Amino acid sequence: GAVVSQHPSRVICKSGTSVKIECRSLDFQATTMFWYRQFPKQSLMLMATSNEGSKATYEQGVEKDKFLINHASLTLSTLTVTSAHPEDSSFYICSAGSGGGTDTQYFGPGTRLTVL
Amino acid sequence: AQSVSQHNHHVILSEAASLELGCNYSYGGTVNLFWYVQYPGQHLQLLLKYFSGDPLVKGIKGFEAEFIKSKFSFNLRKPSVQWSDTAEYFCAVNYGGYQKVTFGTGTKLQVIP
Repeated sequence: GAVVSQHPSRVICKSGTSVKIECRSLDFQATTMFWYRQFPKQSLMLMATSNEGSKATYEQGVEKDKFLINHASLTLSTLTVTSAHPEDSSFYICSAGSGGGTDTQYFGPGTRLTVL
Repeated sequence: AQSVSQHNHHVILSEAASLELGCNYSYGGTVNLFWYVQYPGQHLQLLLKYFSGDPLVKGIKGFEAEFIKSKFSFNLRKPSVQWSDTAEYFCAVNYGGYQKVTFGTGTKLQVIP
């Protein structure tokens, strides 16, 4: 099956710094990638839709200037958490699909971000 | 707004018991339906999906789900669970042909040997 990787798997940073998380589709081209955030004991909340070669579409309530998304190629999307604060600590998960409304999303293993 | 609800937050079963996890969605139009599983320490994996056709869908590891349009439901079933089925199960929906997926809150299944 299709494989999606994320790097790093775990990151700890100081408040005020920026953190970049990478999402890669390893064996297929992903025209669309999605970024989710998962709080403890809660479901995945979609943050934004990342489209290759165009601007990301953010969900309501998600600060686009804080969560920068770049989908520069068909196999890579990055999420940068800028000026991170402790409340940004969470589990960030990406998914990728090759396109189309009936497309299956394949999920990455997630990145645990802890902001001190 | 579209939503997905999973009625059971935590289910505990003995091995060989039958399983049914409820899932309801709020949208009345065209939907694609999914069940994902997250085993401890692992990432989300697709169990099964429904796009069209036979409303009874069979997935991996003996799981199946039935789409009942009149009830806006897509319940997950397994006749006989195993200890290895211990995991968190998420129902998910995308609407109207869009790729964006809305997830339910998840159900933690614990199977006791």
